[in-house]
Parts: sequence; C-alpha cells; structure tokens
Amino acid sequence: AQKITQTQPGMFVQEKEAVTLDCTYDTSDPSYGLFWYKQPSSGEMIFLIYQGSYDQQNATEGRYSLNFQKARKSANLVISASQLGDSAMYFCAMREKAGNTPLVFGKGTRLSVIA
Amino acid sequence: DAMVIQNPRYQVTQFGKPVTLSCSQTLNHNVMYWYQQKSSQAPKLLFHYYDKDFNNEADTPDNFQSRRPNTSFCFLDIRSPGLGDAAMYLCATSSELSTNSPLHFGNGTRLTVT
Repeated sequence: AQKITQTQPGMFVQEKEAVTLDCTYDTSDPSYGLFWYKQPSSGEMIFLIYQGSYDQQNATEGRYSLNFQKARKSANLVISASQLGDSAMYFCAMREKAGNTPLVFGKGTRLSVIA
Repeated sequence: DAMVIQNPRYQVTQFGKPVTLSCSQTLNHNVMYWYQQKSSQAPKLLFHYYDKDFNNEADTPDNFQSRRPNTSFCFLDIRSPGLGDAAMYLCATSSELSTNSPLHFGNGTRLTVT
C-alpha cells in the first residue's frame, strides 16, 4: 500500500502568489515524521521543512509552511510569495518510528512558477 | 560548510562493466543511505548503514553492493550494470534513524549505461 500520496503531478503558480502542494499519508504508527524536499533540475534534494506527529503547531520555515491536519492524515506544503527559483520537483516523505523504518517518498509534484 | 559530496557527478559505464560510485560526508553522521531515482520517479532506498551495520532493502537486487570503510565514506558498487540501472544515484546522511532526523543529500551521480 502506498504510504505517501501526492495527487498533483504538476502545478503552475504566478510569481508572488501562494501555492499549496498536497500530500496525504497512511500509517498506523502514532510516532512519525513528515518531510518536504525540493529537487531542482540539477538533481540535488534540498530539505525544506519537518513536522512531527506530536507537534502541536504547524511547522514554518521562512516562506514554507506545513498545513498539518492529523485526523485527515494530510501534510500540505504552502509556499508563499512564489519566486521563479521555486520551480522544481517537490517530494513529500515520511518516516515511521516502528522498526527504524527509512524515509519513504511520494511521487512528487512538479511546480512551475510563471513570471 | 559541512556537506555530502558525491563523485563523479556523471558516470558512463558499459553494459556489464562494474562501476563504483562514491560518497563522502563531513557531517559526522551515523547513518548513510543510497537511493536510486529513475526519471520522473520518487527516490527508492537501496540500503543504508547505521555506523557499520548494513541494512539491505528486501527488493534491492544482488547486483548492488555497498561498502562503508569509515564514518566519512560510503561506496555503491554495481557489479554488472544493465540498461535498467541507468538512473540518478543519491547518497544521503542523517544523524540518527529517528523520525525527526532529516536526510541530507549529495548532488547525486547520474549513471548512464551504454
């Protein structure tokens, strides 16, 4: 069963606008971590933001925020004031505590920022 | 800056010819990972080391091996590359295996098999 689902293969956003990238996850482990990574065309994976399953507040890092809705098992990434340099693939990922499981990635969303 | 470095950036090998990809880190992290990422797909974990303990994913082909001679270095050996092994190979590290330890990735090595 797929643990991370990203339903948007591609998204477009106007420069300076905000955009939300969707991510839902599936786990029965009460302890887990959720991560978002950015992968530009050059290939490197850049860590953006982290949300723990027990965190009470939504995570924020600069222009990135995570809309964490635990009951719905969703962890959407919000990018505010989009910039041309935000154009990239974005991956949602999860790590469960049980068995020291590795980081599992979703299929990604390709974001294109339009001037 | 502390970082994860992969060499080479691009690697071309012939069908069936063994190839080794290398990864080094200055973060002094306990865990090192190798991921395979094919075009337009998510990264797929091949194996990881926690210190010297090797952990192979169940569906990683025997063709793929790894070595970690010390904390800083980790190698990916592909014994007999096939055309289907052409991919981006990403090395990553984390301080621990805990749920709140982000992975830090290198720039990747793009492997072409001719």
